[in-house]
Amino acid sequence: GESVGLHLPTLSVQEGDNSIINCAYSNSASDYFIWYKQESGKGPQFIIDIRSNMDKRQGQRVTVLLNKTVKHLSLQIAATQPGDSAVYFCAETGNTDKLIFGTGTRLQVFP
Amino acid sequence: EPEVTQTPSHQVTQMGQEVILRCVPISNHLYFYWYRQILGQKVEFLVSFYNNEISEKSEIFDDQFSVERPDGSNFTLKIRSTKLEDSAMYFCASSRTVNTEAFFGQGTRLTVV
Repeated sequence: GESVGLHLPTLSVQEGDNSIINCAYSNSASDYFIWYKQESGKGPQFIIDIRSNMDKRQGQRVTVLLNKTVKHLSLQIAATQPGDSAVYFCAETGNTDKLIFGTGTRLQVFP
Repeated sequence: EPEVTQTPSHQVTQMGQEVILRCVPISNHLYFYWYRQILGQKVEFLVSFYNNEISEKSEIFDDQFSVERPDGSNFTLKIRSTKLEDSAMYFCASSRTVNTEAFFGQGTRLTVV
């Protein structure tokens, strides 16, 4: 069946360091992937997306890497800031219009 | 910046009562969704809606749930007879086309007592 999962439930990093959040997916038919950030009491906020015809995409301070061979997705946040503290979800979609979310990783940034 | 808006932000209802959760998607978007998130868990897909009909629904979306787009701007989720286990955050989302970024609202916290 389809599943998207995260390796680390909690990641603690020092302010200014880089963060890497990982995600594994099992549906090889998935062709679109999104990272969302969710702060407490708020809805998921789009961070960055990537399609299956790419293996890397960069945004402002964020980079998403896609390794289709091992069905792995990662989100890299450069120079992590206190405002980056949140739960991060990867989500994937294949030949349907629904998003399948992973279980989430909590990022904690300490001074 | 356009955003998805949801009302109410918090709804408390008694078990067995009907609730309607309301959403105003982004105006030029064509695909609309409802998701739910039980406290501390991941976001789960409920239903997608396109061209005035349901395009896909999950096994969670049983006969007690229904969606409607009563006019050109609102998108509603109705739960006919609420159960305790329906307590969750309900998120509305919209996207311009399929397989593009979906924008989420701030959610409605539904508490069934």
